[in-house]
Amino acid sequence: AQKITQTQPGMFVQEKEAVTLDCTYDTSDQSYGLFWYKQPSSGEMIFLIYQGSYDEQNATEGRYSLNFQKARKSANLVISASQLGDSAMYFCAMREFPGGFKTIFGAGTRLFVKA
Amino acid sequence: DAGITQSPRHKVTETGTPVTLRCHQTENHRYMYWYRQDPGHGLRLIHYSYGVKDTDKGEVSDGYSVSRSKTEDFLLTLESATSSQTSVYFCAISESKGWTEAFFGQGTRLTVV
Repeated sequence: AQKITQTQPGMFVQEKEAVTLDCTYDTSDQSYGLFWYKQPSSGEMIFLIYQGSYDEQNATEGRYSLNFQKARKSANLVISASQLGDSAMYFCAMREFPGGFKTIFGAGTRLFVKA
Repeated sequence: DAGITQSPRHKVTETGTPVTLRCHQTENHRYMYWYRQDPGHGLRLIHYSYGVKDTDKGEVSDGYSVSRSKTEDFLLTLESATSSQTSVYFCAISESKGWTEAFFGQGTRLTVV
């Protein structure tokens, strides 16, 4: 069965430093996608980055990168040069293909960026 | 921004009453989802739809039903609301079941008293 684990309920980072948010997943499928979403205090869900299980390169989107280690089943989000606006909840999610109707989410990590 | 509208945005209801939440999209996306968000649990899938009149259960479907009579509308019904269904409910849509990200509505805060 699919499962996403985010072991860090909360994290602090100093402004302008990099931070890594952990995500491990469990699946028996070979074909799947991994996603990260940001949820600021206003409540909306914002898509950040995607990694496919067959992608050989780690995904990057601006200051966000995904450290994908397939053998370890981990998909950690790295945020470089943290900004105060990065303070939010971050969710890791997974969808299995084919038949990937279901996207499941981890419990989330709350990130606090200190000035 | 993806055109997804949830209504109502906030609702307080009494235990035992039926409640219907509506999700309306203007993107013509095939797939629609209902999630609930609770502290410590992240988002959990309640029901999803892969086409008009095609729906299936998610991981926390007990006490909920859904209907999709048109591409653009996906309704979530709590037949008899309980306090354990107090939560924030999110609707999401996605264009395909492949890699594309899901776009989320703004959420509905439901309180059952």
